Amino acid sequence: GENVEQHPSTLSVQEGDSAVIKCTYSDSASNYFPWYKQELGKGPQLIIDIRSNVGEKKDQRIAVTLNKTAKHFSLHITETQPEDSAVYFCAASRITGGGNKLTFGTGTQLKVEL
Amino acid sequence: GAGVSQSPSNKVTEKGKDVELRCDPISGHTALYWYRQSLGQGLEFLIYFQGNSAPDKSGLPSDRFSAERTGGSVSTLTIQRTQQEDSAVYLCASSSRQSRVQGYTFGSGTRLTVV
Repeated sequence: GENVEQHPSTLSVQEGDSAVIKCTYSDSASNYFPWYKQELGKGPQLIIDIRSNVGEKKDQRIAVTLNKTAKHFSLHITETQPEDSAVYFCAASRITGGGNKLTFGTGTQLKVEL
Repeated sequence: GAGVSQSPSNKVTEKGKDVELRCDPISGHTALYWYRQSLGQGLEFLIYFQGNSAPDKSGLPSDRFSAERTGGSVSTLTIQRTQQEDSAVYLCASSSRQSRVQGYTFGSGTRLTVV
């Protein structure tokens, strides 16, 4: 089955700096890679996703890059703000007609310091 | 409703008791997923339902765990003879194959504590 590794487990940055979180996956058939943000006491919320036919996707201050050959993908947050502080999870799956079972990384605790 | 609703939000139970956790997905979403999140850990897949297909139960950790989805909507996760290692946040999510993205919408979870 799929295995997703995520680094770092904790990340502290100064407000305004960039933050990068990296993930690797094992199943070359995986074709869908979402990122989730989880705030304390809440369920994870989808913030951005990318499919395997695209190398990069950007949405305002967040971007995701995908390297299919190396089987790794990264989340980039620019101009970080205190409200970006949360736990971020990457995930991978193979979208089929029957469903979309995600395998998650272990999470990165991001702290944006003033 | 507008989002995925889970109940109860918190549950404290004695070791050996059975518990039922409920998930009400977004109306019209055909897929429903259960995940478990232990303290400081990632999300562990438990089970998912897709339409009328047989559920994928490959993530259930033991035969004490079971789930059903009635009428293609509400789902109940049942844990029998609870153990302390069952303590975790149980998250439910739903998704739609017709949606623009394949991402899940998660509920806020049920925090289960077995004492």
